[in-house]
Amino acid sequence: EVQLVESGGGLVQPGGSLRLSCAASGFNFRNYAMSWVRQAPGKGLECVSVISGGDGGTDYADSVKGRFTISRDNSRKTLFLQMNSLRAEDTAVYYCARSSGFAVTTYFDSWGLGSLVTVSS
Amino acid sequence: QSALTQPASVSGSPGQSITISCTGTSSDVGYSNYVSWYLHHPGKAPKLMIYDVSNRPSGVSNRFSGSKSGNTASLTISGLQAEDEADFYCSSYRINSIPVFGGGTKLTVL
Repeated sequence: EVQLVESGGGLVQPGGSLRLSCAASGFNFRNYAMSWVRQAPGKGLECVSVISGGDGGTDYADSVKGRFTISRDNSRKTLFLQMNSLRAEDTAVYYCARSSGFAVTTYFDSWGLGSLVTVSS
Repeated sequence: QSALTQPASVSGSPGQSITISCTGTSSDVGYSNYVSWYLHHPGKAPKLMIYDVSNRPSGVSNRFSGSKSGNTASLTISGLQAEDEADFYCSSYRINSIPVFGGGTKLTVL
């Protein structure tokens, strides 16, 4: 059974940093692209970053480009999201999601329960 | 403003059918058959219901079906049940970009 468990969320001041982790199990982690999808309070879902399988490439939403960095450790089956220069509008539940294939993400077939990030002074 | 446009809410009575639309552009919904739909109960993990416009993952009821015409995709739920009440999101592959989502549709079963 595929399992994705996020951790690392919390309260941070504007301008601060936070690193989210997603522990994966139940599948061959290195063979799948992975993504971070967030939901701000009262808003819809937004894909903020994707990373290809293997030592693959990365991509970001314009809203986080230059501030967030996605990475993966295939030996530890863990996905990361380093978030810097955080803003109030980054407040959201952040979900880790498994993408549909190795390189291109056409859909998200498994999701974690999410980790809440609150940016406030 | 979300990249894809969905109605904010739809409703129906048990046993009825409803359809949720998802409108994009020729760079996303209209570009390929990579449209997917997700069910989301607040506080829980989103669940994939439809992928590649009209395919159902194993375990998803055949009461859920998907289609697409031009830049608009649709999710139809037949034989509405109380347990179907949730938020539904569409998503699409977009050229030279990461996947995009709709703003979500709240389904109420009357």
